[in-house]
Order: sequence, then structure tokens, then C-alpha cells
Amino acid sequence: DQQVKQNSPSLSVQEGRISILNCDYTNSMFDYFLWYKKYPAEGPTFLISISSIKDKNEDGRFTVFLNKSAKHLSLHIVPSQPGDSAVYFCAAQAWEPGNTGKLIFGQGTTLQVKP
Amino acid sequence: DSGVTQTPKHLITATGQRVTLRCSPRSGDLSVYWYQQSLDQGLQFLIQYYNGEERAKGNILERFSAQQFPDLHSELNLSSLELGDSALYFCASSSIAGPTDTQYFGPGTRLTVL
Repeated sequence: DQQVKQNSPSLSVQEGRISILNCDYTNSMFDYFLWYKKYPAEGPTFLISISSIKDKNEDGRFTVFLNKSAKHLSLHIVPSQPGDSAVYFCAAQAWEPGNTGKLIFGQGTTLQVKP
Repeated sequence: DSGVTQTPKHLITATGQRVTLRCSPRSGDLSVYWYQQSLDQGLQFLIQYYNGEERAKGNILERFSAQQFPDLHSELNLSSLELGDSALYFCASSSIAGPTDTQYFGPGTRLTVL
């Protein structure tokens, strides 16, 4: 049962344009969402997060949008740069008694930004 | 560099064998998480330790076990290995053990079972 889904395995955009990565979830108990970026031969690196009480969070070129009613979130990268080429993972945490912070990950989307 | 170290980087072994993966968390972090990433899959949570005690368990097989030592480093033991255990194993650490606490990941150990 895949509770967090990234339905697009890959995405290719031109440098300078917007990259939009999407993520859907099924568990209504999820209340905190994160995006991680992963380069080959490295571990995932935290990028940006959003709490369920917000619908948008911005950090420089990165913005995450959350639509709770649709159980959907997206990561916007503007403008995209070749160094952004990586695998992007969406992850979620659930509010539940004794929650210790374990992350539930999507399968990842490989972003390629072409010069 | 996240500050989380994992050894070895690569491990090749045969079915039926036992291996130990090691993780050193960031300085000051008390919580250690283990995740498994199989081919083309997302990371699957295995187990979490906080200050030496087990705090949460995911879909970890009975053949797998872990522990966290007094110096806070952690080891993941995989036994009776099967071909399907071939995967990337990541360790992550955080300062406490709760939601919204950022987890910092190590570079992973790539396990190949032949």
C-alpha cells in the first residue's frame, strides 16, 4: 500500500524555466510533508517542508504547495538550474500518538534540467 | 556533507551470509533511523533508535536487527541474506525523536547479495 505516490518517474525542463514536481498521498493523518533531493552516490538532502496548517512555504527558488482537500502537494523550482538535476523524494509524517518522526517516502522523480 | 557517516560504502556477499552495517550520527544527535531503498523504489523505514532504546519499527524483517550503542553509533545486522535484500541502506539522524525534526542522511551502504 503506497501511501505517498509520485506518479511521474521523470521530468525534463529547460534551464531557466519552472520545474513542477507532484506528490499525492492517501493517509489523512499525514500532517507534515517534506521534499528531499538526492544526487547519485549520496544520501537524500532535506530541501523544504510544509506543515498541514499551511498551504504554501517558500525558500528561495523552492516553493511547496499543499492542497489538503485533494491530498496533493507540489514542489516548484523557479528558475530551474542544471545543478538542480537530481532525484526528488516527497515524504510525509503522520500525527499519531507516540509518533517518533519516521518518514514515509514516495518513489521519487528524476529531474533533468537541460542547459 | 551531512555529518552522518556510514560504513562500508559497498558490500558484496552471498546468500545465507550475515553482514553488519554501521552508522555514526551527527554530533549531538540522539535519534537514528534506518531506511532501505530497493531498486526504483522510495525509501522504506525499517527501525528507529533514540538514545540507545528502540523507538519505532517499520516493516523490518525478523532476519534483520539493529542496536544503538552508548556512544550513539548504530549497527544494522542482516542475516540469512537473500537476493531480494540487495538494496541501498541509509541511516539518518536527528537531534530528538519527533515529527518536524529534520533528518540528516548518510551516503548509504550498497549491499549486493549474489
